Amino acid sequence: KQEVTQIPAALSVPEGENLVLNCSFTDSAIYNLQWFRQDPGKGLTSLLLIQSSQREQTSGRLNASLDKSSGRSTLYIAASQPGDSATYLCAAPIGGNQFYFGTGTSLTVIP
Amino acid sequence: GAGVSQTPSNKVTEKGKYVELRCDPISGHTALYWYRQSLGQGPEFLIYFQGTGAADDSGLPNDRFFAVRPEGSVSTLKIQRTERGDSAVYLCASSKAGTGGFEQYFGPGTRLTVT
Repeated sequence: KQEVTQIPAALSVPEGENLVLNCSFTDSAIYNLQWFRQDPGKGLTSLLLIQSSQREQTSGRLNASLDKSSGRSTLYIAASQPGDSATYLCAAPIGGNQFYFGTGTSLTVIP
Repeated sequence: GAGVSQTPSNKVTEKGKYVELRCDPISGHTALYWYRQSLGQGPEFLIYFQGTGAADDSGLPNDRFFAVRPEGSVSTLKIQRTERGDSAVYLCASSKAGTGGFEQYFGPGTRLTVT
């Protein structure tokens, strides 16, 4: 069974801390992996897309890495802010056209 | 141009009724995806269009669900004989092309409630 899992399910940190969110997947032959942010009651906002040939991507305070051989991706958030509070989801097109999503990590940044 | 749009934003219907949910992708995007998201879960794949054709409909849960994209742009997800278990947020996404490394852009979703 193709799966994408995210750990932890929830995370609460004080403002200013650096943090890492984890995503693991079962198929090393993925084309790419995408990280999203979802605010309550809203759609998904794309954060970073890592191609299979890349090892990492950076956007501002965000850095995402991809290790296909171990089936893992991490999203690193530097100097967290209360506005970063949201659910973070990873997704990958495992096995073809189907994009599989993790269940997300709910992040709360405490002022 | 503008991002992915979906209408309606909310839909409440009675069990057994027929509903249509609309998705307007980003102009020029040939790939379009429908997902369903239940509370506390990640989005679940339903169907993928490349142009006008459904390239992969393996995620549709049963034959009550059907989707079309007749002109390769706007898509409509159709649900017949709705059931309470169909209640969820239905999300649409588009990308420049299909699988192969293109970023997906999501709409705000349609929250469907079946009473």
